[in-house]
Amino acid sequence: AQTVTQSQPEMSVQEAETVTLSCTYDTSESDYYLFWYKQPPSRQMILVIRQEAYKQQNATENRFSVNFQKAAKSFSLKISDSQLGDAAMYFCAYLTGTASKLTFGTGTRLQVTL
Amino acid sequence: DVKVTQSSRYLVKRTGEKVFLECVQDMDHENMFWYRQDPGLGLRLIYFSYDVKMKEKGDIPEGYSVSREKKERFSLILESASTNQTSMYLCASTIRGEQFFGPGTRLTVL
Repeated sequence: AQTVTQSQPEMSVQEAETVTLSCTYDTSESDYYLFWYKQPPSRQMILVIRQEAYKQQNATENRFSVNFQKAAKSFSLKISDSQLGDAAMYFCAYLTGTASKLTFGTGTRLQVTL
Repeated sequence: DVKVTQSSRYLVKRTGEKVFLECVQDMDHENMFWYRQDPGLGLRLIYFSYDVKMKEKGDIPEGYSVSREKKERFSLILESASTNQTSMYLCASTIRGEQFFGPGTRLTVL
């Protein structure tokens, strides 16, 4: 079975600084997708960024980028120029199969300080 | 924009009650999911459905059942609520691998 591990339960970053959230996963599949989701306090979970395993190029969405190391089964999220609105729970997730089932990590709570 | 709604944001029920949580999506998605979210455990899949009247067990189906009579609606049923089912429940629907989540229902079972 696939597993997703987020080893940092909590992280803190100063406004305008850069922070990296870690995620590792375990799978025997070769074709899959990886996601980072953001859950702000008392608000809906939203997609931050996705990466297809067959793509070597790391995905980027504005201030958010990933470092995808397929051989190491690592998928970290880098947030540049952190803003107060980035404070949230961040979940790493893995998807494979036609049923679109996601396996989630346990989450990292990111605090952004002034 | 995709919209996924859930019938209640907060719900308080007593042990032994039958509880219905409803989820509606407006984008004609075929796949829908129910998760529970607990601190330190992330999101765990309870049940999912890939078509009307079709359902499959997720990782933690015990104590739950589901119903999908219409494509847009996916209901989670707690046949006899217990205190260990106190949790946040999230519904999601999916297209092209991306899941769209509802706002969640925080259920407390007393």
